Amino acid sequence: EVQLLESGGGLVQPGGSLRLSCVASGFTFSSHTMTWVRQAPGKGLERVSGITGSSGSTYYADSVKGRFTISRDNSKNTLSLQMGSLRAEDTAVYYCVKGGTGVPLEYWGQGTLVTVSS
Amino acid sequence: EIVLTQSPGTLCLSPGERATLSCRASQSVSSSYLGWYQQKPGQAPRLLIYGASSRATGIPDRFSGSGSGTDFTLTISRLEPEDFAVYYCQYYGSSPLTFGGGTKVEIK
Repeated sequence: EVQLLESGGGLVQPGGSLRLSCVASGFTFSSHTMTWVRQAPGKGLERVSGITGSSGSTYYADSVKGRFTISRDNSKNTLSLQMGSLRAEDTAVYYCVKGGTGVPLEYWGQGTLVTVSS
Repeated sequence: EIVLTQSPGTLCLSPGERATLSCRASQSVSSSYLGWYQQKPGQAPRLLIYGASSRATGIPDRFSGSGSGTDFTLTISRLEPEDFAVYYCQYYGSSPLTFGGGTKVEIK
């Protein structure tokens, strides 16, 4: 059974930093593109960032480019998102998702809430 | 960037009725990379349809997808109580991945 378990969300002040993690199980993690998708309260879905299985390629939404960094540790089946210079508009539930460019977003974690507020 | 426009924004129907949801792309896209997702309140989205018309694992056959080029449709043949939710289309053929704004299917 595929499982994706996110952690690291919380309340952070504007300008602050936060690191999200996602531990994957139930599939060969290193072989699959992974994606972070976020959803602001009451809003739709936005792809934030993606990374290929080998970490050879990364992708970022224009809204987070230069502020967020995606990475993965295939030895630990872990996907990460380092978020910096956080803004109020980054407030959202962040989902860890198996899939990405060329592959449907087949499995989703339960999400972790990030709140940026003073 | 591919822009996906979903219509209607809200669909009010009764259980047992047929639901037809539309997703229009700003330019022609490969149907191989068009997906549909269902999201219920407080839950993560769930993949329903991939490749425009293939049902994901465990998805009931009352859900079907069709379309090509710029126009795609998700049809729910007979609405069950658990089908009232928000539905999103998504293009995953190229970066940036994009989502439509969603269609809410609510009980009439």
